[in-house]
Formats: sequence, structure tokens, C-alpha cells
Amino acid sequence: QKEVEQNSGPLSVPEGAIASLNCTYSDRGSQSFFWYRQYSGKSPELIMFIYSNGDKEDGRFTAQLNKASQYVSLLIRDSQPSDSATYLCAVELVFGQGTRLTINP
Amino acid sequence: EAGVAQSPRYKIIEKRQSVAFWCNPISGHATLYWYQQILGQGPKLLIQFQNNGVVDDSQLPKDRFSAERLKGVDSTLKIQPAKLEDSAVYLCASSLEGLAGVGEQFFGPGTRLTVL
Repeated sequence: QKEVEQNSGPLSVPEGAIASLNCTYSDRGSQSFFWYRQYSGKSPELIMFIYSNGDKEDGRFTAQLNKASQYVSLLIRDSQPSDSATYLCAVELVFGQGTRLTINP
Repeated sequence: EAGVAQSPRYKIIEKRQSVAFWCNPISGHATLYWYQQILGQGPKLLIQFQNNGVVDDSQLPKDRFSAERLKGVDSTLKIQPAKLEDSAVYLCASSLEGLAGVGEQFFGPGTRLTVL
């Protein structure tokens, strides 16, 4: 059974700070890693995907992948109140339970 | 470009009744997925189609759930008979093939099912 683990939170971060979200996975052979954002009552929307070890940056978002440690993370720089949502880590087609992030003005 | 369409958006039924959900993926997306998302949990894959063939239905409760994707475009997910624990949001997603086989998924708005 492939598993993806996330801290459910809530994670509270002040506006303008860096939010750090983490995810571990069980299947060492996994190749595709995704971060989705889900606002309350809405469907998930893709923020980032990463396939190779290292960092991938897109605007205020940076995804980090360490296959040796089976660890994926998402950094959100200059956090805004509009970033308040649940962040879902997906490893191929297996989703974690999500981390609820709150950005405090 | 139109997104993934789903209907109905909401459905309330009593246990032991049957229900069907419809999904129309993004044009050109060969891969279609159905997920079940229970409140407070992440989406759980029920079934994956590639064109009109089933790729993975290992987590689909086949005694009560069925799905089809005729002609490789629209898809229907059916529950018969429904149980209380089927109360959830049913999400449809579609994707192109990604570099590593699993591409970025685009989700529809979902159908919120309540079983009383």
C-alpha cells in the first residue's frame, strides 16, 4: 500500500513570512510529485510539479524533492492571506491528507 | 479552454438508493480519473481510464460502484446501492501524459453526495 504522509496542521504563519510544507512517501520508485492547493469547498488546483531531485521555483513557490530521503516540500515565500488553504501533496496518484495553512495578517 | 465539467454539483439520496455522476474532461485529455474525497481527507483514487480502457480500478468497491467511459470521452460513475459511508465529494480529473507517466491533473468542481 503506497502511502503519502503530511502533517494535517493547522500551520499558522504571519503574512510576509515563509511557509514550509512537508510530505514523505513510502514508494521509493515514485517518479512524479505534485502540490495542489484546495480552498474550502473547492476542488484541488495544481501549484507545482517536480520530477527530479533538487529545487524547482515558480514565482513565490519552490518545490524541493529528495528521493533518497523520500521527502518532498513546498516553500511559499512572502506569504499572503490568499495563500490560506489546504495544501495536498500527491505522489503519482496517491494524495496525502493535506496540511491546512493559515496566513495571519 | 473549457475545464473539466461535472454534474450534478450536489446530490442527496437515502441509503440503498442508486446515484450516477457524469464527467466531461478537457478536450484532448486521454486520461480520466475519478476520486472520492471524504471530509478532512485527501482525494482517494477510485478508477483511472486511458481513452476508454481501465488502467487501475484496484480501489473501486466493485460490489456497489461501477464506472464507464464510452467512446473515450465522457464518463459516468454509479453507486448502487449507496451506503452512509459513501457521503463524500466525488471528483473527476483529466490529464495529458506527463514526462514520468503521470501528468498534471485538472480537477472538475466535484459532486457533493450526501447519503441519509
